[in-house]
Amino acid sequence: DSGVTQTPKHLITATGQRVTLRCSPRSGDLSVYWYQQSLDQGLQFLIQYYNGEERAKGNILERFSAQQFPDLHSELNLSSLELGDSALYFCASSVDGNSPGYTFGSGTRLTVV
Amino acid sequence: AQSVTQLDSQVPVFEEAPVELRCNYSSSVSVYLFWYVQYPNQGLQLLLKYLSGSTLVKGINGFEAEFNKSQTSFHLRKPSVHISDTAEYFCAVSESGAGSYQLTFGKGTKLSVIP
Repeated sequence: DSGVTQTPKHLITATGQRVTLRCSPRSGDLSVYWYQQSLDQGLQFLIQYYNGEERAKGNILERFSAQQFPDLHSELNLSSLELGDSALYFCASSVDGNSPGYTFGSGTRLTVV
Repeated sequence: AQSVTQLDSQVPVFEEAPVELRCNYSSSVSVYLFWYVQYPNQGLQLLLKYLSGSTLVKGINGFEAEFNKSQTSFHLRKPSVHISDTAEYFCAVSESGAGSYQLTFGKGTKLSVIP
């Protein structure tokens, strides 16, 4: 157990729908990162939050959004889902966002049908 | 922008044989380098990282990697593999001092250990 908790583990939904993925960082970690792992694109950085504020943005689609709440958990919202959004979505956390290398959760596998 | 190339998508190796998984990177600035392992249906686990100092880095499970700045490489090695090492291995890079340590990953190398 890495200490980073992601729920749900699996999600199946239809095209056009909206889903929310949840991540609880390790105790004491202030920074959360989201990554997408797909067969086509491999592992890609989506977005980073530090203590509630957005710190960095990667290849995140406009249909996707995220936020980090005061209790430091984070949610990734995916809307108008397409078949190509099917992927494994990972959350990772680090103490302060200034530490290279961090701990990943076990991921949420999203299947869009 | 950075990029990472893992030169082999699949590497089969017999149990107790040595293995080397190759990784080359490209960046215009100083970088930190990482190797992660992903077991089937699991998340990513950090094997080792190079931040500074000695270019030979030792990690968990008997793995080590050597940073070669002139060749922009960070190859992963293990002198004797076990069945349990069967997994996918990812090399990753982040800019040093960037303020956000987002990782750029390679495409991965699937290591299959043959009994």
